[in-house]
Amino acid sequence: NAGVTQTPKFRILKIGQSMTLQCAQDMNHNYMYWYRQDPGMGLKLIYYSVGAGITDKGEVPNGYNVSRSTTEDFPLRLELAAPSQTSVYFCASRGPINQPQHFGDGTRLSIL
Amino acid sequence: KNEVEQSPQNLTAQEGEFITINCSYSVGISALHWLQQHPGGGIVSLFMLSSGKKKHGRLIATINIQEKHSSLHITASHPRDSAVYICAVRAAMDSNYQLIWGAGTKLIIKP
Repeated sequence: NAGVTQTPKFRILKIGQSMTLQCAQDMNHNYMYWYRQDPGMGLKLIYYSVGAGITDKGEVPNGYNVSRSTTEDFPLRLELAAPSQTSVYFCASRGPINQPQHFGDGTRLSIL
Repeated sequence: KNEVEQSPQNLTAQEGEFITINCSYSVGISALHWLQQHPGGGIVSLFMLSSGKKKHGRLIATINIQEKHSSLHITASHPRDSAVYICAVRAAMDSNYQLIWGAGTKLIIKP
């Protein structure tokens, strides 16, 4: 099973560019999450979704947008990249309430 | 003050030593997670517990709900245990399973 798949693994952007980080899961999980992890820091929740068509802001949503048109996919969009968005981005999904979150391998994003 | 505090922040030990990593939290919780982040960046869930103790191989996780404290123990540590260990809690009143994350403990096991 693939689990949670994130693409790309690495990306360098120029200030002001836009891009979409892709996240797909094949476990039929309703809950999906986007986190960012800055060097030496803990994970911070950007956005989450409790099912197709439903998304909500997390702790640090500014500068990002998400959509959830299908159960499988939960893309994260950066519209106007800023150096402060240089980070490692993790996508995660979860099934029933008594189960842990499953993480993708992360996307390392640098804004120069 | 963070709602989830881990100690120590960094830990270096020799192969074979018994390792303890601590997690204290200030909110009422319904579950506590321990996760491992490998040097390459991948994050793996180790334990999810709401009471008592769980064991998997050389890893043991305990939680004391009254004292709002959890520990992760590694017996007979090995260099491959070198990783960042992260504690995260689900607040008791949270209905969407958002986790509150600790900053992690970086563990290095020397051969």
